[in-house]
Amino acid sequence: DQQVKQNSPSLSVQEGRISILNCDYTNSMFDYFLWYKKYPAEGPTFLISISSIKDKNEDGRFTVFLNKSAKHLSLHIVPSQPGDSAVYFCAASASGGVDKIIFGKGTRLHILP
Amino acid sequence: SAVISQKPSRDICQRGTSLTIQCQVDSQVTMMFWYRQQPGQSLTLIATANQGSEATYESGFVIDKFPISRPNLTFSTLTVSNMSPEDSSIYLCSVAKGQGVLGNTIYFGEGSWLTVV
Repeated sequence: DQQVKQNSPSLSVQEGRISILNCDYTNSMFDYFLWYKKYPAEGPTFLISISSIKDKNEDGRFTVFLNKSAKHLSLHIVPSQPGDSAVYFCAASASGGVDKIIFGKGTRLHILP
Repeated sequence: SAVISQKPSRDICQRGTSLTIQCQVDSQVTMMFWYRQQPGQSLTLIATANQGSEATYESGFVIDKFPISRPNLTFSTLTVSNMSPEDSSIYLCSVAKGQGVLGNTIYFGEGSWLTVV
């Protein structure tokens, strides 16, 4: 049973445009959400997080939106840059992040020149 | 954040052997975890490494196969025992650090890529 779903295995976006990565979750107890970026042969790097008390969190080019009623979150990258080409993992946890973190399967983002 | 060093970074192992992965953190942390990522799969939590007590394993993972040590607040090891090709994976050490009211964030090491032949 996949509690965190990233339904798009891959996404291609033109450099300079907006990249939107989507994530759905099924567990209504989740209240803390994170996005990670992973290059090949490297460990995942934390990008941005959001608590369920907010519906938006912004950090530079990265913005995460949370729609609790739809159990959906998205990561927006504006503008997209070549270095953004990587696999992006959505993750979620309950109890304010104290509980274990569950990861989605990831979406591979290709930034096209 | 945290600086997490893992050794080895990659290895090719013979079937039936065991390999121990070391994880060193640059600061004391309460919560350390071991994840793995099999090819094409997501990051799966193996266990929580508890300092001074036995690790807490997730469903599908057992101590005999993945013994874990946590002798202090900056170091842990994961052993993959009696390896088979199905154990070929990236093994990742991670730590949790609080973000205040926002909750904990997990930070990962570079990973140890094991190929079992």
